[in-house]
Amino acid sequence: ETGVTQTPRHLVMGMTNKKSLKCEQHLGHNAMYWYKQSAKKPLELMFVYNFKEQTENNSVPSRFSPECPNSSHLFLHLHTLQPEDSALYLCASSQGYLAGGPYEQYFGPGTRLTVT
Amino acid sequence: AQSVTQLDSQVPVFEEAPVELRCNYSSSVSVYLFWYVQYPNQGLQLLLKYLSGSTLVKGINGFEAEFNKSQTSFHLRKPSVHISDTAEYFCAVSLMEYGNKLVFGAGTILRVKS
Repeated sequence: ETGVTQTPRHLVMGMTNKKSLKCEQHLGHNAMYWYKQSAKKPLELMFVYNFKEQTENNSVPSRFSPECPNSSHLFLHLHTLQPEDSALYLCASSQGYLAGGPYEQYFGPGTRLTVT
Repeated sequence: AQSVTQLDSQVPVFEEAPVELRCNYSSSVSVYLFWYVQYPNQGLQLLLKYLSGSTLVKGINGFEAEFNKSQTSFHLRKPSVHISDTAEYFCAVSLMEYGNKLVFGAGTILRVKS
């Protein structure tokens, strides 16, 4: 595997389900990001982790819970979602975040989430 | 806070014709500027970026963009498009003092017709 991978690519879940999205980067980067992409709206930054520490939480509802066990892996745990949470969730990574840069962000292909 | 406006949600164009995708930003301080491309069922890929220096920036796949500080614009151009350029294009900005936090525009879908 190369670059940034995301699994699953598609997910359909009910409002009472619990599921997780997984992201893995094979680039040796230190920063990882979650974005939400909704139709006809700008990408919304949700979370940033730098060296496994959360450095950004863009007022995301608590039904979205990120986890970064190491610099290569990022998860987004989902529970009791709403239909308006249906979107494409993109993961990205970059060499750094807080100092230096700007660093190019490398994106995964995304997980298409549908909440029924 | 900074914001990005992409003035066209869709731009249809015939193959081999020139194209310009427009981007305007608002910020009271100096910024870095980026264009990303998203092909169907793929993530975003960096096309080009403006950090400093020459206001004309060349990127991959024959694209270029010009930074105009007085008009706060960063329009993307290509002199002759191909069918394979069909994709969604995103303009993004970050503050020079905080260069790694990107603010994106809503995107412009470029449809190249034969």
